[in-house]
Amino acid sequence: DAEITQSPRHKITETGRQVTLACHQTWNHNNMFWYRQDLGHGLRLIHYSYGVQDTNKGEVSDGYSVSRSNTEDLPLTLESAASSQTSVYFCASSAYVGVGETQYFGPGTRLLVL
Amino acid sequence: AQSVAQPEDQVNVAEGNPLTVKCTYSVSGNPYLFWYVQYPNRGLQFLLKYITGDNLVKGSYGFEAEFNKSQTSFHLKKPSALVSDSALYFCAVRANNNAGNMLTFGGGTRLMVKP
Repeated sequence: DAEITQSPRHKITETGRQVTLACHQTWNHNNMFWYRQDLGHGLRLIHYSYGVQDTNKGEVSDGYSVSRSNTEDLPLTLESAASSQTSVYFCASSAYVGVGETQYFGPGTRLLVL
Repeated sequence: AQSVAQPEDQVNVAEGNPLTVKCTYSVSGNPYLFWYVQYPNRGLQFLLKYITGDNLVKGSYGFEAEFNKSQTSFHLKKPSALVSDSALYFCAVRANNNAGNMLTFGGGTRLMVKP
């Protein structure tokens, strides 16, 4: 069955380190998204991509970067981790750009920055 | 800018009773509305969406939601709650004039169904 996976599921790192979170989908979806989930804020969009070599900034993109070298993967990199980036990170994908299009989410990565 | 409000952090209901989880939105243009559910340590699962047509939308697991344009609301409902419905529920909106087709999520409402 097609799915979307994230790794690692849990990560502890130190302030200042570079961290990369992986997201892989087998639906062959063009669109992929990264969100962070914090108490009281719901989900906030970090970066998104509408296809290979396309990346765009979301609402809370500072300190994060993404690259899209193939359809299946959109890794999220924290260039220099900060304690404020402790959060749960969700990757999502959707087939096309359209107002009614549904996004499908991965299981999440819980990141703790010490 | 588009926004979503879920005014209740938590809703408590007894098993077998009807449940309502509230959502109001603000957009310029026609809204497209979604409900997602999140079980512990899991990602968000799509429940239902309103795009156009009938204001009452039926979704997964017996849930439904009613779009009310005059009240800018999209409340999630179920006639008879189950203990297994206990989870975190998110409402989201996308406007048809949103060039990026971005979803904006509410803060979430925790539903607790007690036996």
